[in-house]
Amino acid sequence: GQSLEQPSEVTAVEGAIVQINCTYQTSGFYGLSWYQQHDGGAPTFLSYNALDGLEETGRFSSFLSRSDSYGYLLLQELQMKDSASYFCAVGSSNTGKLIFGQGTTLQVKP
Amino acid sequence: ETGVTQTPRHLVMGMTNKKSLKCEQHLGHNAMYWYKQSAKKPLELMFVYNFKEQTENNSVPSRFSPECPNSSHLFLHLHTLQPEDSALYLCASSQEGGGATGELFFGEGSRLTVL
Repeated sequence: GQSLEQPSEVTAVEGAIVQINCTYQTSGFYGLSWYQQHDGGAPTFLSYNALDGLEETGRFSSFLSRSDSYGYLLLQELQMKDSASYFCAVGSSNTGKLIFGQGTTLQVKP
Repeated sequence: ETGVTQTPRHLVMGMTNKKSLKCEQHLGHNAMYWYKQSAKKPLELMFVYNFKEQTENNSVPSRFSPECPNSSHLFLHLHTLQPEDSALYLCASSQEGGGATGELFFGEGSRLTVL
């Protein structure tokens, strides 16, 4: 089967750095994605890692280790607007599906 | 309009009602999806359509009936729902299989409450 685990809640202060981890189990693996969802809004795509290593996009970076079935999303220079839910998602090469984790609620405090 | 648009944004219905959710994408994508989002649960994949053909029915009860008349439009017909079906229903689209690219474009969802 397929499953993903990520922390349910994370709290950090403005200007800090926070890392949201995701471990996964899947039959066949395309890649690991990250999505952001503000309250009442649509999930929006942040990043995608198909290969091992770090991908950087502005203040956000995403890391993947295929051998460890592990990835993380790193948010730097946190801003209040980064308060949202963050979902990791795994693409299965066996099923073609994109399966989501439960989501991590990030609260940024002043 | 751009992106993925869902209507209605909010819907309240009784268990004996029949209603439909509508999704329209203006991105020229070939695949469309319905996901269910309940509190404290992962997004659950319900249906997948590729080029108007249903390729996935993720063991969804028959009281949910999808329809995809063309690559731009997707409907979810609802009838005799249960209170536990109350959730946010999200529509998404992608250029090709979402599992392969990891990138889906979501609408803002239809918040359904079943009384």
